[in-house]
Amino acid sequence: GESVGLHLPTLSVQEGDNSIINCAYSNSASDYFIWYKQESGKGPQFIIDIRSNMDKRQGQRVTVLLNKTVKHLSLQIAATQPGDSAVYFCAENVYNQGGKLIFGQGTELSVKP
Amino acid sequence: EAGVAQSPRYKIIEKRQSVAFWCNPISGHATLYWYQQILGQGPKLLIQFQNNGVVDDSQLPKDRFSAERLKGVDSTLKIQPAKLEDSAVYLCASSPRFMNTEAFFGQGTRLTVV
Repeated sequence: GESVGLHLPTLSVQEGDNSIINCAYSNSASDYFIWYKQESGKGPQFIIDIRSNMDKRQGQRVTVLLNKTVKHLSLQIAATQPGDSAVYFCAENVYNQGGKLIFGQGTELSVKP
Repeated sequence: EAGVAQSPRYKIIEKRQSVAFWCNPISGHATLYWYQQILGQGPKLLIQFQNNGVVDDSQLPKDRFSAERLKGVDSTLKIQPAKLEDSAVYLCASSPRFMNTEAFFGQGTRLTVV
């Protein structure tokens, strides 16, 4: 069925290290993907997006990789900071379902000082 | 630019009571979403509007939940009657169009049903 899932529910990293958060999606009709960050008590905030005609996109300290062959997304955060501690969700925009935006379960990132 | 506004921020009700949530999307955004987020889970799409028309409501429990978007702007989500399992954060989001663009989220309404 339609689902966006994450491989790891929690991730703990040392401050200054790089973080990698993974996501698997199941709908081959999805052509746009977004990573969101959600801090406690707040709504999800946009981090970075990628379209299906790309395999990599870079932002400030973040990189998203898309592997359509195995339906896998990853979010890489360079030099992770305490302020990066949050829950991270990937979401897919399903073109053939009216543009539904479907979220995965999330990965909680904890940064140790 | 003003963000997505939601009210109330918190609501506590007894089971079988009714409750309504309000959302004011970003001006000019045609697409509006309501999500339910149970603690420890990802947001689950309840209903998606394009202007004032429903695009998807396949996961909306229609026996107790209803939503409307009058004049394609503000939206309300209602639960009647509430059950204990409806305890969650209800998130509203909007986007300029329904595809290939990020959705902007409000702070959410935390509902507790006792």
